[in-house]
Amino acid sequence: DAKTTQPPSMDCAEGRAANLPCNHSTISGNEYVYWYRQIHSQGPQYIIHGLKNNETNEMASLIITEDRKSSTLILPHATLRDTAVYYCIVYTDKLIFGTGTRLQVFP
Amino acid sequence: EAGVVQSPRYKIIEKKQPVAFWCNPISGHNTLYWYRQNLGQGPELLIRYENEEAVDDSQLPKDRFSAERLKGVDSTLKIQPAELGDSAVYLCASSLDRRTGGEAFFGQGTRLTVV
Repeated sequence: DAKTTQPPSMDCAEGRAANLPCNHSTISGNEYVYWYRQIHSQGPQYIIHGLKNNETNEMASLIITEDRKSSTLILPHATLRDTAVYYCIVYTDKLIFGTGTRLQVFP
Repeated sequence: EAGVVQSPRYKIIEKKQPVAFWCNPISGHNTLYWYRQNLGQGPELLIRYENEEAVDDSQLPKDRFSAERLKGVDSTLKIQPAELGDSAVYLCASSLDRRTGGEAFFGQGTRLTVV
């Protein structure tokens, strides 16, 4: 079973920041948090991952709370092409997907 | 660089018929995964290969599903016989190795419809 809890859906205006929350209260000390997204009719796409520290790449930023029980994926300037299902995954030795958050970016 | 290639993209078969899906992972990737994704759900891992060895097939329904990875490169997933409940998208993914398994690259999937 997935070890994460995410809201089923969110909306975001184009050009605004999209902040996607994830709860992972049972995460262990050596488990990473991974984020993927899945655009309609495509396979999942890796976005970013982290252990303790905040991470940033060309796609997004990942903020992990100090107690590591939750995290937030930030898309700084959402575009229509960011409309997708976003999965937060606690990784041990396999990727176990939950049902994710369906992000709808509107004009 | 080519990504993970799967074929066919779509397949419609009658129940009780056999079906096979093919996957070509990214060159040099030792770890290969097959996932099944039902409508409205996240992908579910069926089997994981490290080179040609199946190291995790605990979620593979072995009565009707089989998989192989010849020479540790391409892989085939087979269903025989197919049932109505097998209708889903079958995704193949690969990663460099188990250590980097969190960063997997997925193909576009094969959408199977059993009628």
